[in-house]
Amino acid sequence: DAGITQSPRHKVTETGTPVTLRCHQTENHRYMYWYRQDPGHGLRLIHYSYGVKDTDKGEVSDGYSVSRSKTEDFLLTLESATSSQTSVYFCAISDNFQETQYFGPGTRLLVL
Amino acid sequence: EDQVTQSPEALRLQEGESSSLNCSYTVSGLRGLFWYRQDPGKGPEFLFTLYSAGEEKEKERLKATLTKKESFLHITAPKPEDSATYLCAVQAQTGANNLFFGTGTRLTVIP
Repeated sequence: DAGITQSPRHKVTETGTPVTLRCHQTENHRYMYWYRQDPGHGLRLIHYSYGVKDTDKGEVSDGYSVSRSKTEDFLLTLESATSSQTSVYFCAISDNFQETQYFGPGTRLLVL
Repeated sequence: EDQVTQSPEALRLQEGESSSLNCSYTVSGLRGLFWYRQDPGKGPEFLFTLYSAGEEKEKERLKATLTKKESFLHITAPKPEDSATYLCAVQAQTGANNLFFGTGTRLTVIP
């Protein structure tokens, strides 16, 4: 998985609670991404980061926020989880703009 | 609007039975087309990047080709360990730095 870890790997939470997912990389890549994967949809970009404290929105960013205080860590926060955010979340990294993205193992989130 | 369509959704092959997976795309200026393999419960694993029509890349039993409207992933004499979901993604030359993914082809190779 190209030196990418995600935590937790599985989480069950209740509607309305905050949730934070963590992505950690050991590759020193500049770009980091958060995607969600749902049946019937391709992977969809939530947010991405192009450097420490530099982030931007993706296709499906509503209800999510991100932070990147160190090169190696990229956090995804659901401020108030909803059932529609039940999904599998993948982190990805790339060395530079529009270079190949490498994916982490994923976090399976269930919001009850 | 950038779009990626993969077919078939699912494919069952006998071991040794060669076939092809299709990825049709529309994008406003293609920067690259990517193929990934995804095993159940795991993240996508990078296979190939193709940049221009006519380009081909090979890895073991897999060969990826690219035209101006579609890409094919040819699987020659597949083995059971080739069973996985194969994802195609396109990246435009301009715009936000992201990939547009298809929904994948789930390949099962029967011994």
